[in-house]
Amino acid sequence: RKEVEQDPGPFNVPEGATVAFNCTYSNSASQSFFWYRQDCRKEPKLLMSVYSSGNEDGRFTAQLNRASQYISLLIRDSKLSDSATYLCVVNAPRKLIFGQGTELSVKP
Amino acid sequence: NAGVMQNPRHLVRRRGQEARLRCSPMKGHSHVYWYRQLPEEGLKFMVYLQKENIIDESGMPKERFSAEFPKEGPSILRIQQVVRGDSAAYFCASSPDGELFFGEGSRLTVL
Repeated sequence: RKEVEQDPGPFNVPEGATVAFNCTYSNSASQSFFWYRQDCRKEPKLLMSVYSSGNEDGRFTAQLNRASQYISLLIRDSKLSDSATYLCVVNAPRKLIFGQGTELSVKP
Repeated sequence: NAGVMQNPRHLVRRRGQEARLRCSPMKGHSHVYWYRQLPEEGLKFMVYLQKENIIDESGMPKERFSAEFPKEGPSILRIQQVVRGDSAAYFCASSPDGELFFGEGSRLTVL
């Protein structure tokens, strides 16, 4: 089993759609969780951290379910500029482990 | 405050040559990480270093790859006797403690 697994992509959605990404992780001892965004295989950039109680940042909502070892990212009212690859990231001792990434393409 | 600086941005080598990739972390950051992204794949952890110490090299290939972070100067990822399969984007990240800040990457092409 991979340490961090994400939905396979790509996701092709129209502008304004709501899209959800899912991610599972294998290490029950993990304590820190993040969503990163990567555009055209440039450097990844932090989108948001994921907190136990769930957190929201504008159109983006992240959820964590420790019992199921599951993380999600919801994007509402998607924009063309949201097109990117979204990376689920989980901490392991001394490093962060990245998921494969899910590609999102938002079309006009 | 400059971000994480990597150079060269692009490097072309022939099989059997050596590749040296350099990374200067953000000011005040003492943790450096190297990740590799092969074409069509995700980022894979390679090595975690602090000044003069390798903390975790569990992701480094057993042969030909080495990394250092000297007391003075940038961190260096060195690949000896490169092969075509080494062609990838190599990203360096630094951290104060937790969140990773990435450089723009060094793209290695092995002919």
